[in-house]
Amino acid sequence: LAKTTQPISMDSYEGQEVNITCSHNNIATNDYITWYQQFPSQGPRFIIQGYKTKVTNEVASLFIPADRKSSTLSLPRVSLSDTAVYYCLVGDRTNTGFQKLVFGTGTRLLVSP
Amino acid sequence: DVKVTQSSRYLVKRTGEKVFLECVQDMDHENMFWYRQDPGLGLRLIYFSYDVKMKEKGDIPEGYSVSREKKERFSLILESASTNQTSMYLCASSFRSPNTEAFFGQGTRLTVV
Repeated sequence: LAKTTQPISMDSYEGQEVNITCSHNNIATNDYITWYQQFPSQGPRFIIQGYKTKVTNEVASLFIPADRKSSTLSLPRVSLSDTAVYYCLVGDRTNTGFQKLVFGTGTRLLVSP
Repeated sequence: DVKVTQSSRYLVKRTGEKVFLECVQDMDHENMFWYRQDPGLGLRLIYFSYDVKMKEKGDIPEGYSVSREKKERFSLILESASTNQTSMYLCASSFRSPNTEAFFGQGTRLTVV
């Protein structure tokens, strides 16, 4: 059973705001929600992380409703360089209790001029 | 800056060869991970390690083994390379504390012929 569900792809234009929503219906009480960005031929890099309500940094905002069963990554005024794959992660643990990082297939964002 | 270094950017090996992919991190991270990435399948976890000499299977461990003799180094071993192991391999590291940021290497593109 997939821990997270995201749209496979999204298209946008330069200057627009982009919102990518992730569903995580089975999120555990102590799990955080983390988003990574991956450019072609590079490893993913951390963008933002949150537990509840809203988190903002210099790159993005993360909105988490009270039930925490979904989250929305918001990218303000995207540029061509925001074209990338975006991954949403929640906690995943082994039987021995160690946290591992499990990525889904991500959302491929294409920003056009 | 955190650095995760993978020993090779590109590698070509023959079917049946034993292949070693090396990963070194310089941030004293407890956790280290190996993923493979294939088009349309996202990142899939092969193995991870939460301490020296400790390892846990990920989602697709078949055909792979790992070695962690020193904290900073995590090796992925293909005992007998096959063409279906042609892929991009990514190494990552993080602190053991849950919900901490993971840092990725640049990846090794392995081709098995």
